[in-house]
Formats: sequence, C-alpha cells, structure tokens
Amino acid sequence: EPEVTQTPSHQVTQMGQEVILRCVPISNHLYFYWYRQILGQKVEFLVSFYNNEISEKSEIFDDQFSVERPDGSNFTLKIRSTKLEDSAMYFCASSGITGELFFGEGSRLTVL
Amino acid sequence: GIQVEQSPPDLILQEGANSTLRCNFSDSVNNLQWFHQNPWGQLINLFYIPSGTKQNGRLSATTVATERYSLLYISSSQTTDSGVYFCAVERWAGTASKLTFGTGTRLQVTL
Repeated sequence: EPEVTQTPSHQVTQMGQEVILRCVPISNHLYFYWYRQILGQKVEFLVSFYNNEISEKSEIFDDQFSVERPDGSNFTLKIRSTKLEDSAMYFCASSGITGELFFGEGSRLTVL
Repeated sequence: GIQVEQSPPDLILQEGANSTLRCNFSDSVNNLQWFHQNPWGQLINLFYIPSGTKQNGRLSATTVATERYSLLYISSSQTTDSGVYFCAVERWAGTASKLTFGTGTRLQVTL
C-alpha cells in the first residue's frame, strides 16, 4: 500500500542551526502539506503546497520556514534558524483529488 | 476559523468493552477524517467520512453533517487500541485541503 515516508525520524539540533526535514509523498498525489504537533498538544497546520507553490500557510509558518519540491519525488521543510519552541513532531501529508490526507510517520525535532 | 471539540477527553476501558467517541464541529464541512495516534506518535488513517457511515472491522464511524457531529465506535476494545483519537475537519477544499484537528480523546485499554 502506498505511503508517505519521512526522514529523519528524529533529529536533535542546537538552537540557531538550520534543519531540513524530508518527505516522499504518495506518488500520484498532487497536494502536499506539513503539520506540526508540540508534545501533548493537537496537530496544527503549517503549510499546503500545490503546483510548485504554497497554497496556504498558517501564522506559525513565518519567514524562518520554507518548503520546496526540489525534484519529482521529495518535499522538504526547512527551518532556517531553529528556536527552542520549534521542538515538535513534524508530519508530512499528501492528498489526491478526493481530499483525503495521508500522513507520514513524523519527524521528531528536538532543539537544545 | 472552524472549531472542533472532542469528547470525552480521556477514556479508560477494560479489554472487550465498547466505546463511542464524539466530534462536534462549528460549521459545515466537506472533509472529515478520524485518526489514531499510536504510542509512538504515528498518525494512522481510520476513516475519511464527510457524511454517512463506514465500518472497518471493529471500528465504525458515522457523520451527520447537517447536525455537525461525527461518532467513532470502537467495539470489543483491545490493548492495541490505546492511544489518542483525533477528529479533523475541513470547511472548504479549494485547491488543497487544510484540516483543523480537535484536541483528541486519549484512550487507555487495560487488561
């Protein structure tokens, strides 16, 4: 069964460092997303991406964040200068024409 | 934005018991999904159910869109059902979905 894959599963970084989280969406999906879940809290929308551009972004998705689809398969989330409050689980998701979202297993980011 | 409330917030069951989880939302939606977040943090799709009823094994879900709620039924619960159950809704799809998640129901199934 097709699935969304994410790497790394866990990353520890120092405050101020750049982090890139990678995702491979389901191959025939056209819409891609990043969500975030701070420990113990609900899952929050960050950004959606379609046709090689951002469709929508939340207030959380400030200038420190960027997304890119560098080739036909990968979808990345970059955090330019990490802060302590960026520590969270980051989920990538993709959807097809039905709108049903499928999530990856998440990348846990710990900022020290 | 749309508000999503889930109840109960916490639930403890003995193995074999049945349960009903509820999701209320504040506006009409055209997408509703139920997820199970397992103890490892993974989000598992359970149902895509903007309206109607679906069943998958011991789980079933019903969404009454006109009354703005959805129910998730778990029958004959097992310890592997433990985790957090999230309801997520979207009001308008446009070119891409933007799901708003509820705060979840934390389920613990004991032996």
